[in-house]
Amino acid sequence: GAVVSQHPSWVICKSGTSVKIECRSLDFQATTMFWYRQFPKQSLMLMATSNEGSKATYEQGVEKDKFLINHASLTLSTLTVTSAHPEDSSFYICSAPVRGSGRNEQFFGPGTRLTVL
Amino acid sequence: GNSVTQMEGPVTLSEEAFLTINCTYTATGYPSLFWYVQYPGEGLQLLLKATKADDKGSNKGFEATYRKETTSFHLEKGSVQVSDSAVYFCALSEGGAQKLVFGQGTRLTINP
Repeated sequence: GAVVSQHPSWVICKSGTSVKIECRSLDFQATTMFWYRQFPKQSLMLMATSNEGSKATYEQGVEKDKFLINHASLTLSTLTVTSAHPEDSSFYICSAPVRGSGRNEQFFGPGTRLTVL
Repeated sequence: GNSVTQMEGPVTLSEEAFLTINCTYTATGYPSLFWYVQYPGEGLQLLLKATKADDKGSNKGFEATYRKETTSFHLEKGSVQVSDSAVYFCALSEGGAQKLVFGQGTRLTINP
């Protein structure tokens, strides 16, 4: 099957610092990846669509300068939370679609829990 | 805009009980509908899906039927097991973009 990994699985940082989260498709290539945010006991909210070789597409209300997305290769997308604050503490999840050979499905990473002190 | 509304949890059942988790949606077009499951400590996994009206998705004993007339996609299982304990998310996507809109999730606990 298709596997998506995320690193780190959890991170604690001080307010004002930046944190980078990696999302990798391990056994397939992904020209597109999606970044979601999940608050405790709440649903996943799509933050942005990461596009390989071009700029990310952000959902309404998501600050581009706050959440920097880079999709430098067909297997890696990164989300950098810049100048993190306690309200950025959340669970961040990425996904990547697999298409072709009769498949059209998204595969999710295990998530990264960010705690900003 | 598109939205998904799920039955609020948490839901607690005994093993072998019948399960229904309600899901209704609002969409401008003809979305594909999904149920995802999140086991403790793991990422979301696709449980089942339906891409057009009257389609029935099924997997691992779970079923859901795409009902356009009631804009619903309720999840059912005839006899739950302890291993079914997880959080279940109903979701939709529209068009080819594959962006998913999720419901709020329902935490299911099955007691032996």
